[in-house]
Amino acid sequence: GAVVSQHPSRVICKSGTSVKIECRSLDFQATTMFWYRQFPKQSLMLMATSNEGSKATYEQGVEKDKFLINHASLTLSTLTVTSAHPEDSSFYICSATYRVDEQYFGPGTRLTVT
Amino acid sequence: DQQVKQNSPSLSVQEGRISILNCDYTNSMFDYFLWYKKYPAEGPTFLISISSIKDKNEDGRFTVFLNKSAKHLSLHIVPSQPGDSAVYFCAASYTQGGKLIFGQGTELSVKP
Repeated sequence: GAVVSQHPSRVICKSGTSVKIECRSLDFQATTMFWYRQFPKQSLMLMATSNEGSKATYEQGVEKDKFLINHASLTLSTLTVTSAHPEDSSFYICSATYRVDEQYFGPGTRLTVT
Repeated sequence: DQQVKQNSPSLSVQEGRISILNCDYTNSMFDYFLWYKKYPAEGPTFLISISSIKDKNEDGRFTVFLNKSAKHLSLHIVPSQPGDSAVYFCAASYTQGGKLIFGQGTELSVKP
């Protein structure tokens, strides 16, 4: 149990376009979902925390107008990178919790902006 | 400001021996600590956790030790197996189930 999926697993987009990444909890209802990004050889950095039906809470330094997060249901959260630039190229990972427990991570999405 | 630090970027251990991965933190408000295992291009997989009220938690081959006075935790893997080769991240949170602050990771290589 506690499976989290992400789609797509890899995406390449042109600079200036937007890309949407989906995070789904497959076998449980996630009360909270988190979005992280990881640069090569670096740590996972929390970008934002989202709760179903409410606005996401962004970490300091993360542009909320650039990284749009929608937590539309208890099983789905989306991250949209708007007007993507090459420096947004990274590995984006979501996680979900359904109780006061450990976070369950998705497999990640590799975004490359050309 | 790196609140959770893993100062060893890599560790190499012989199969069957003990692997000890270390992690230091600076914020005494952290209440919950976790270890994750991660392969390239995959999400982290939860290994083991410990609450700040405990100093040891054991699960099979994995044991986590917490020294609050030193703000230090360690993960012991014994015996180490080649399949344990991966990047290990420690993480801390203010509450169980809350947002995680990760260390930089330690790449463990277990040689046959």
